[in-house]
Amino acid sequence: SAVISQKPSRDICQRGTSLTIQCQVDSQVTMMFWYRQQPGQSLTLIATANQGSEATYESGFVIDKFPISRPNLTFSTLTVSNMSPEDSSIYLCSASGMTTRHNEQFFGPGTRLTVL
Amino acid sequence: GQSLEQPSEVTAVEGAIVQINCTYQTSGFYGLSWYQQHDGGAPTFLSYNALDGLEETGRFSSFLSRSDSYGYLLLQELQMKDSASYFCAVKEAGTALIFGKGTTLSVSS
Repeated sequence: SAVISQKPSRDICQRGTSLTIQCQVDSQVTMMFWYRQQPGQSLTLIATANQGSEATYESGFVIDKFPISRPNLTFSTLTVSNMSPEDSSIYLCSASGMTTRHNEQFFGPGTRLTVL
Repeated sequence: GQSLEQPSEVTAVEGAIVQINCTYQTSGFYGLSWYQQHDGGAPTFLSYNALDGLEETGRFSSFLSRSDSYGYLLLQELQMKDSASYFCAVKEAGTALIFGKGTTLSVSS
């Protein structure tokens, strides 16, 4: 199995600012993903973080708003840019492949973001 | 695109058996997964079905019928700690899981 850590675990930010969330996996993985989850709601896929190339974004999410980096097989960052209160949510990092079972995605504990 | 339907809420008592159904529509299909999420926690993997039939893991079982685009999660000998949200999710080749809206299970004594 893979253990995923995220930093920060929570933050309160002012509108118009940006926050970068870090995701670290304790083993090499093929795929890394970023999800958003409102409390009590489902998980919505933001993007797939590709190593060495631009992330692949889902409909409704754009690179200017959610720039993503993935410099190696164990680390990724998600930036929430020019934040508004609508960005308040839990952001989850997920990973699969290589040292994990191919059909299982592991999730980090999430970053709870509140935008005032 | 993909869509998944599952009941929003299920209630049961300790020791009972509960079945959570999931129907899906997807352009490509590699398998159906089930995840459990407790309040404030991360989703955790429960099961995965790629082929038709029943997969059993302890008190939990999962079933898939590819021809019916249907699956279910069966929870037996319910315990209070099973109170959580349960999500079905589909996976297409080389992509991330897409989740259903989730079913909130409440187990009472």
